[in-house]
Amino acid sequence: DAEITQSPRHKITETGRQVTLACHQTWNHNNMFWYRQDLGHGLRLIHYSYGVQDTNKGEVSDGYSVSRSNTEDLPLTLESAASSQTSVYFCASSEYTGGDEQYFGPGTRLTVT
Amino acid sequence: AQSVSQHNHHVILSEAASLELGCNYSYGGTVNLFWYVQYPGQHLQLLLKYFSGDPLVKGIKGFEAEFIKSKFSFNLRKPSVQWSDTAEYFCAVNAPVRDYKLSFGAGTTVTVRA
Repeated sequence: DAEITQSPRHKITETGRQVTLACHQTWNHNNMFWYRQDLGHGLRLIHYSYGVQDTNKGEVSDGYSVSRSNTEDLPLTLESAASSQTSVYFCASSEYTGGDEQYFGPGTRLTVT
Repeated sequence: AQSVSQHNHHVILSEAASLELGCNYSYGGTVNLFWYVQYPGQHLQLLLKYFSGDPLVKGIKGFEAEFIKSKFSFNLRKPSVQWSDTAEYFCAVNAPVRDYKLSFGAGTTVTVRA
């Protein structure tokens, strides 16, 4: 079955370190998204991509970057981790750009100490 | 900017009680509407969605939602909840003019007591 996976599932890192969270989907979807989930805020969009070599900033993109070199993967990099980036991160994908359902990965819980 | 409001932060119910979760959005144009559920320790999964047509939408696990355009609302309902419905519920909205980016509400935690 097609799926979307994230790794690691849990990560503890120190302030200032660079961290990369992996997202891999086997749906062959063009669209991929990164969200962070914080209490009281729901999910907020960090970055998204509508295809290979396409990346776009979401509403909370500061301090994060993504790159899309193939259809399956959209890694999220925290350039210099900050305590404010402690959160649960979800990756999602969808087939069509026009308002299609998004399929979510299991999440990565990141703690920045 | 488009925003999505969920009226209740935490709802506690007994089994067999009815559930209604409110969701309002602020954008007045064409929208697509979703309810997602996140069971404890699991990823988000789609309960139901509305794109067009019948404003009463039926989803999985006995849930339904009603789109009322004049009220900018998309409330989720279930006539009789079970303990297994304990989860966090998110309303989400996207629109063509916002590049179809999903905006989520803050979520409602539902606890069903046996």
